[in-house]
Amino acid sequence: KAGVTQTPRYLIKTRGQQVTLSCSPISGHRSVSWYQQTPGQGLQFLFEYFSETQRNKGNFPGRFSGRQFSNSRSEMNVSTLELGDSALYLCASSLEDREDPRFFGPGTRLTVL
Amino acid sequence: AQSVTQPDIHITVSEGASLELRCNYSYGATPYLFWYVQSPGQGLQLLLKYFSGDTLVQGIKGFEAEFKRSQSSFNLRKPSVHWSDAAEYFCAVVNTGNQFYFGTGTSLTVIP
Repeated sequence: KAGVTQTPRYLIKTRGQQVTLSCSPISGHRSVSWYQQTPGQGLQFLFEYFSETQRNKGNFPGRFSGRQFSNSRSEMNVSTLELGDSALYLCASSLEDREDPRFFGPGTRLTVL
Repeated sequence: AQSVTQPDIHITVSEGASLELRCNYSYGATPYLFWYVQSPGQGLQLLLKYFSGDTLVQGIKGFEAEFKRSQSSFNLRKPSVHWSDAAEYFCAVVNTGNQFYFGTGTSLTVIP
């Protein structure tokens, strides 16, 4: 089975721009969650989508949004980029339930200049 | 509220030595616990998980972890470390709302 794929792998943007990141989960997985990883804050949960519905949301401003499509692929959008948004954005997919492990993609490295 | 604490920010061990990485959790109900490893520039790879049953769980790459409810701990161990084990290790707990909480990570350096 193919793993979780994320595109693009690297991205450079300037302040004020917006960005869309994409995540394709493992085939058969219906849950996709997103995380932001920075040296200062560590791994922080952004949101989780299950069957096209947002099931959970972390403590991030409304500039961070996401969606999930009927094929379980997910996108994350960040509008009005700030310097502090520079981070590694990780996507994880899982089957459905709490005990199901999350399988992570390689991440998208976003740099905001 | 649920949380995970990894008290050791950085650990250095010699190749061939044993390893124990500490993880303490705070969670009211039965926790579902995971250990992940992250190599530089990579995503996270699952090492092992615990959610019920035997408190000693075996994972990949020769790792194991022991769940101790009385100590609210889920420490990761390996009897003999290899140079390729150098990486960042994360402990995580998932709550009933299916939300993952990660510890701050422990960076492992292996010296020859």
